[in-house]
Amino acid sequence: EAQVTQNPRYLITVTGKKLTVTCSQNMNHEYMSWYRQDPGLGLRQIYYSMNVEVTDKGDVPEGYKVSRKEKRNFPLILESPSPNQTSLYFCASSSRVADTIYFGEGSWLTVV
Amino acid sequence: GENVEQHPSTLSVQEGDSAVIKCTYSDSASNYFPWYKQELGKRPQLIIDIRSNVGEKKDQRIAVTLNKTAKHFSLHITETQPEDSAVYFCAASLSGGYNKLIFGAGTRLAVHP
Repeated sequence: EAQVTQNPRYLITVTGKKLTVTCSQNMNHEYMSWYRQDPGLGLRQIYYSMNVEVTDKGDVPEGYKVSRKEKRNFPLILESPSPNQTSLYFCASSSRVADTIYFGEGSWLTVV
Repeated sequence: GENVEQHPSTLSVQEGDSAVIKCTYSDSASNYFPWYKQELGKRPQLIIDIRSNVGEKKDQRIAVTLNKTAKHFSLHITETQPEDSAVYFCAASLSGGYNKLIFGAGTRLAVHP
């Protein structure tokens, strides 16, 4: 079954405590990205990756890091989380040649 | 860059009525326009998409129309049912999985029995 898997699904953390949200896809997709979703703002892209070792900033990259050491994995790293990073995060993947984007189930992150 | 505006932000209809959500985009090069449905607490799910070589596409009770000249596209849901209640997002991009989707802000649709 085609899947994009994110972990954790729910997390409450404190300001400044580094955390990583993992993302893995089993479809051999080249393209992966991270979005955050906030009320009234839709989905905004944080970072994306076109292939292994190729990453670039999206629209709202401040405060986030990513890496793409393997094709299937694209973790999102918050080095020093702040309350304004409280949000719902989605990982997504797609094939180089197709339009359909597959979303993970989402990760609810609260920073207090 | 591309910018997508979506209206209305909320829409309330009676069961059986039709619902229409409209989006405009700014980049005339965009040629791929998907619509996503997001139920509360769940991931966005693709419900229909259209490419710029087509003016209209229909899938059962859902249809999407595209006006390239005016740079707007619309989602039409007929015979609405309570299970259609969700947030709907339009998006625009260049075709091809590498190209970034730009999303509208979303429309919260409520269908009342």
